[in-house]
Amino acid sequence: GAGVSQSPRYKVAKRGQDVALRCDPISGHVSLFWYQQALGQGPEFLTYFQNEAQLDKSGLPSDRFFAERPEGSVSTLKIQRTQQEDSAVYLCASSPGTGQLFFGSGTQLSVL
Amino acid sequence: AQSVTQLDSQVPVFEEAPVELRCNYSSSVSVYLFWYVQYPNQGLQLLLKYLSGSTLVKSINGFEAEFNKSQTSFHLRKPSVHISDTAEYFCAVSGMDMGRRALTFGSGTRLQVQP
Repeated sequence: GAGVSQSPRYKVAKRGQDVALRCDPISGHVSLFWYQQALGQGPEFLTYFQNEAQLDKSGLPSDRFFAERPEGSVSTLKIQRTQQEDSAVYLCASSPGTGQLFFGSGTQLSVL
Repeated sequence: AQSVTQLDSQVPVFEEAPVELRCNYSSSVSVYLFWYVQYPNQGLQLLLKYLSGSTLVKSINGFEAEFNKSQTSFHLRKPSVHISDTAEYFCAVSGMDMGRRALTFGSGTRLQVQP
């Protein structure tokens, strides 16, 4: 497709359940970013990939959060043993390296 | 490291009135500056950006922003707003250093245009 695609659009999880969120970036974009957006807040940086290399994971809130991009294209954000405070919209963005980010519509995660 | 402050969480304004959404940033390196817009139930869309050159940048739908280095500001303005401009607006910065290309966002300003 022409834009960044994220799936699922909505995810409801029971506390303690593991979840996996998928991001398909724009074809050819080297850089990929994950952000977390809590209700009423701006997006907060989680992690950054350049091709398959995870260059910055300083924003991941705990070791329950894990991201990968094994072939330098599709990326998966995994959250283990979800907690209620993990409820947020998770945004993926890709960039051709110009400084401009192109965002997907996000995955809204609700942990009950 | 960078940080962004959007002083107004909500800005109510009547249709056809002018509006200014304020953004101030801090950074130890030179920056690129962006405004993103988020319409209800939609993803973030780039509204305009400052990378270099003229400090006044404009969008196709009438918004403009001016980079003021001395005041570390990048305020967003529109001389006459429409109902359709109702949305959340986010100011963002990224450092020009090569180590990291991530954007740092402000907390957002909700523009509410009333008829």
